[in-house]
Amino acid sequence: DAKTTQPTSMDCAEGRAANLPCNHSTISGNEYVYWYRQIHSQGPQYIIHGLKNNETNEMASLIITEDRKSSTLILPHATLRDTAVYYCIVRPLYNNNDMRFGAGTRLTVKP
Amino acid sequence: DAGVIQSPRHEVTEMGQEVTLRCKPISGHNSLFWYRQTMMRGLELLIYFNNNVPIDDSGMPEDRFSAKMPNASFSTLKIQPSEPRDSAVYFCASSREPGGELFFGEGSRLTVL
Repeated sequence: DAKTTQPTSMDCAEGRAANLPCNHSTISGNEYVYWYRQIHSQGPQYIIHGLKNNETNEMASLIITEDRKSSTLILPHATLRDTAVYYCIVRPLYNNNDMRFGAGTRLTVKP
Repeated sequence: DAGVIQSPRHEVTEMGQEVTLRCKPISGHNSLFWYRQTMMRGLELLIYFNNNVPIDDSGMPEDRFSAKMPNASFSTLKIQPSEPRDSAVYFCASSREPGGELFFGEGSRLTVL
């Protein structure tokens, strides 16, 4: 019973923005949207999280729709090193429940 | 500041043998997670601890698997007896507080022959 839906794979040209969508239509009011990525053979790495406002950090931007039923992770200038599996997770902020990863989106950045 | 440290990085063993995987979380982190990753099943949550206490072990496959956290700086995941289907990469992760950002170790790759 997945709480998020993501495309299986996406391609992006190097230097262009990568926009990774995530649907979470059953998100609850106290649940945040988290994004992690996993580069081949490494442990997953935290990217960003948000509740309802758009967020930006040094790695990426997170755009959450007003109804909070979907979000988009944006890598503004993708590089070859951004090739990875990207996971979208929804979970309460102060609760370790539901810290489960789905299948994610495999992003391939091409030269 | 050292990250999450896992050992061994690689282990090859024979079916029926006991396997112990070890994890040292980041100092000051109060939550610890064990995950298993395979091609078929992806990244699965096995168990997590808050303040050294196991909270949810519903992901532990069966009685052959057990996890302990005797103190805030050490956790083990034990498989006894091991089976070929246990072959996977096992990740440990920690967070500063419940619901916080997870920091993962580099994983322990287990091969059971």
